[in-house]
Amino acid sequence: EIVLTQSPGTLSLSPGERGTLACRASQSVSSSYLVWYQQKPGQSPRLLIYGASNRAAGIPDRFSGSGSGTDFTLTISRLEPEDFAVYYCQQYGSSPTFGGGTKVEIK
Amino acid sequence: QVLLQESGPGLVKPSETLSLTCTVSGGFVMSYYWSWIRQPPGKGLEWIGNIYYSGSTIYSPSLKSRVSIFVDTAKNQFSLKLTSVTAADTAVYYCARERMGRGYYGLDVWGQGATVTVSS
Repeated sequence: EIVLTQSPGTLSLSPGERGTLACRASQSVSSSYLVWYQQKPGQSPRLLIYGASNRAAGIPDRFSGSGSGTDFTLTISRLEPEDFAVYYCQQYGSSPTFGGGTKVEIK
Repeated sequence: QVLLQESGPGLVKPSETLSLTCTVSGGFVMSYYWSWIRQPPGKGLEWIGNIYYSGSTIYSPSLKSRVSIFVDTAKNQFSLKLTSVTAADTAVYYCARERMGRGYYGLDVWGQGATVTVSS
């Protein structure tokens, strides 16, 4: 089973700042099978990025994904108030797994 | 607009079977994968398994011995059964549409979640 480790666990930032979230895999993951989700308190997760770098429908362009192999990154270029949430990466290999999440909180 | 709605008992006794159903509206179960994901209180997401409309399934290795997922195309529903539950199975259970093709396009439509508590 591929283990996804997200860092940092918590990211404290101010609106307007840039956020960089990391997702490291215990073994190589095809970029085609790496996705990111956003989850706000009391809500279901929302798909942000698929294929490591493709924004899902309706996702603002301040969200971008990059990476390959074992290291992937989600970047939020300028944080808006609605972006403070928990973010999860997920891989779909032989056994799909989620990372533990990064909480982006208001500084 | 495709909507998903989970339904089922909110309380299950230890050692019994958890059963949930997801009803798909605004679309059809045909031609997609359908998944179950859970989230224990205050914790992260865990992928449970999925089913293709044809009936083929993939389950998480850690739950495989206790999980079954079924699809009913006539009712436009799919279902989850988890046997021999313990308190560790207490979680919010989500159903979701899972899109795959040449690659993996993610879980793009989610239900609102069903809270299931395992307790006597």
